[in-house]
Amino acid sequence: DAGVIQSPRHEVTEMGQEVTLRCKPISGHNSLFWYRQTMMRGLELLIYFNNNVPIDDSGMPEDRFSAKMPNASFSTLKIQPSEPRDSAVYFCASSPGDSPNYGYTFGSGTRLTVV
Amino acid sequence: AQSVTQLGSHVSVSEGALVLLRCNYSSSVPPYLFWYVQYPNQGLQLLLKYTTGATLVKGINGFEAEFKKSETSFHLTKPSAHMSDAAEYFCAVTLNNAGNMLTFGGGTRLMVKP
Repeated sequence: DAGVIQSPRHEVTEMGQEVTLRCKPISGHNSLFWYRQTMMRGLELLIYFNNNVPIDDSGMPEDRFSAKMPNASFSTLKIQPSEPRDSAVYFCASSPGDSPNYGYTFGSGTRLTVV
Repeated sequence: AQSVTQLGSHVSVSEGALVLLRCNYSSSVPPYLFWYVQYPNQGLQLLLKYTTGATLVKGINGFEAEFKKSETSFHLTKPSAHMSDAAEYFCAVTLNNAGNMLTFGGGTRLMVKP
């Protein structure tokens, strides 16, 4: 299994531009999570999908952020317009079920820099 | 609400010394507890987990953790540190009535001196 695949690994963009981060979960996993990691705030859960349906998006910082999961094998996190304070590492994680017993498998992350 | 506190954002040990990383949680119901490790420029990897049963849990790379309900703790230990253990370690908790949502602690960066 290739694990959770995120793209791109690095993204540098100018303030005001649209940014799209992509995630392919492990096949058969039906829970998907987007996290943001910064030095100041640590790991923050942005949104949680189960069976492609958003269950909890209370961590999405503001309307500039949106996430979709059109099918079981693909999810996107979009920031429009981007701002320098959005600079962070964004992680996608997946889990085989909606039970807390399983734990998560994380992707390698996308390092976003907004200049 | 659940929360996780990791005491010490940085811990430094000598190679061969005991590693002890502290984690305390708050929860009004039995928790599920996890330790993850993050190496530089990588995602988080599961080290070990406690769900039910035996309170002493063994994980990968020689790490273990003990769930102590009376102390609301889940400290991570390893008898002898290796240079390759240098990384950031995260404790996480979820509740059986919180679906599958993990709450992470702030992380502890472990440094291993030769």
